[in-house]
Amino acid sequence: ETGVTQSPTHLIKTRGQQVTLRCSSQSGHNTVSWYQQALGQGPQFIFQYYREEENGRGNFPPRFSGLQFPNYSSELNVNALELDDSALYLCASSSDGNNEQFFGPGTRLTVL
Amino acid sequence: QKEVEQDPGPLSVPEGAIVSLNCTYSNSAFQYFMWYRQYSRKGPELLMYTYSSGNKEDGRFTAQVDKSSKYISLFIRDSQPSDSATYLCAMSYSGGGADGLTFGKGTHLIIQP
Repeated sequence: ETGVTQSPTHLIKTRGQQVTLRCSSQSGHNTVSWYQQALGQGPQFIFQYYREEENGRGNFPPRFSGLQFPNYSSELNVNALELDDSALYLCASSSDGNNEQFFGPGTRLTVL
Repeated sequence: QKEVEQDPGPLSVPEGAIVSLNCTYSNSAFQYFMWYRQYSRKGPELLMYTYSSGNKEDGRFTAQVDKSSKYISLFIRDSQPSDSATYLCAMSYSGGGADGLTFGKGTHLIIQP
């Protein structure tokens, strides 16, 4: 059984740029959730995709957007990067949208 | 007041001790409760998943939920140095997951050999 994978591992961007992060869900899982984890904090829910549709969203602005593909992999896009966007971005997969979620290793984004 | 409160620690205990980790929450609508373990620079790993009040045991780990007090606990028996990590509690309103998980800040646990 393949676990959740994310790419890239690390990324450095400058303020105002755009970034795309990628996630492959665990084998057999059709739901992907994205979280932002700032240093010393717990993860915060960004949104969830189920069957290629966004079906839940946390308190994040529209410049955070996503996609889910037919193979259930997913992308997180962030436009107009701000310094406060520097964080660990975590992807979690689950089955049929349930909340028993399994996390990937994360992508560490630094915005300068 | 944050929705989920968790003492960030660090909590330092000797090897072999019983560890007690706790979270309190303010919203009585939470129904599903989880504990995750996160090693430095890694993603969270699901340890325990429970629904509503009661106890659940899995090996050295026991999760307790007291909805009347809005209080959840994780007990680790026979603690090992490899248990040193940050422990995150998480909770959700529904089983569907579309509302996302609400996490505490995490407790940094250190097991001294």
